[in-house]
Amino acid sequence: AQKITQTQPGMFVQEKEAVTLDCTYDTSDPSYGLFWYKQPSSGEMIFLIYQGSYDQQNATEGRYSLNFQKARKSANLVISASQLGDSAMYFCAMDTGNQFYFGTGTSLTVIP
Amino acid sequence: NAGVTQTPKFQVLKTGQSMTLQCAQDMNHEYMSWYRQDPGMGLRLIHYSVGAGITDQGEVPNGYNVSRSTTEDFPLRLLSAAPSQTSVYFCASSQKRGTYNEQFFGPGTRLTVL
Repeated sequence: AQKITQTQPGMFVQEKEAVTLDCTYDTSDPSYGLFWYKQPSSGEMIFLIYQGSYDQQNATEGRYSLNFQKARKSANLVISASQLGDSAMYFCAMDTGNQFYFGTGTSLTVIP
Repeated sequence: NAGVTQTPKFQVLKTGQSMTLQCAQDMNHEYMSWYRQDPGMGLRLIHYSVGAGITDQGEVPNGYNVSRSTTEDFPLRLLSAAPSQTSVYFCASSQKRGTYNEQFFGPGTRLTVL
């Protein structure tokens, strides 16, 4: 069964605008972690942000914030003030116990 | 501090050949894992290890073996390569704390099986 769903294969955003990348997850475990990774065209995987299932506040890391809605099982990534260097693939992921699941990714293109 | 290293970067195999993808980390991380990345499918977990001497299967373990004799090394063995194993393989390590599992990824190995 698919654990992480990213329904936006591709997104476009104007430079300096904000963009939201969607992620929904499915788990019956009460304890889990949610992650976002960035993969530029060069191929490396870059950790962006983490949200624990018991965290009361939404995680933020610089221009990245995670909109965590536990009841809806969603963990959307918000990138504020988009930059050209934000153009990349973005993956949502979940850790349940020792298994780690990735979504299929969203390709973000920032338009000058 | 090299982080996570993988060798080789590229490899071409013929169907039926075997090979080992090497992965090493110098961060003293307990948790190590192997993923494959296929177009349109994200990364899928092949095998993982929570410490030396301990390994377990992930989502797509068939056709692959692993071992963890030291904390630093976590090789992935392809027993008899098949075209379906053409993929990009990533090794990762982390110091997992509860559900916090920030993984550090190697640069990847691009494998083609003819």
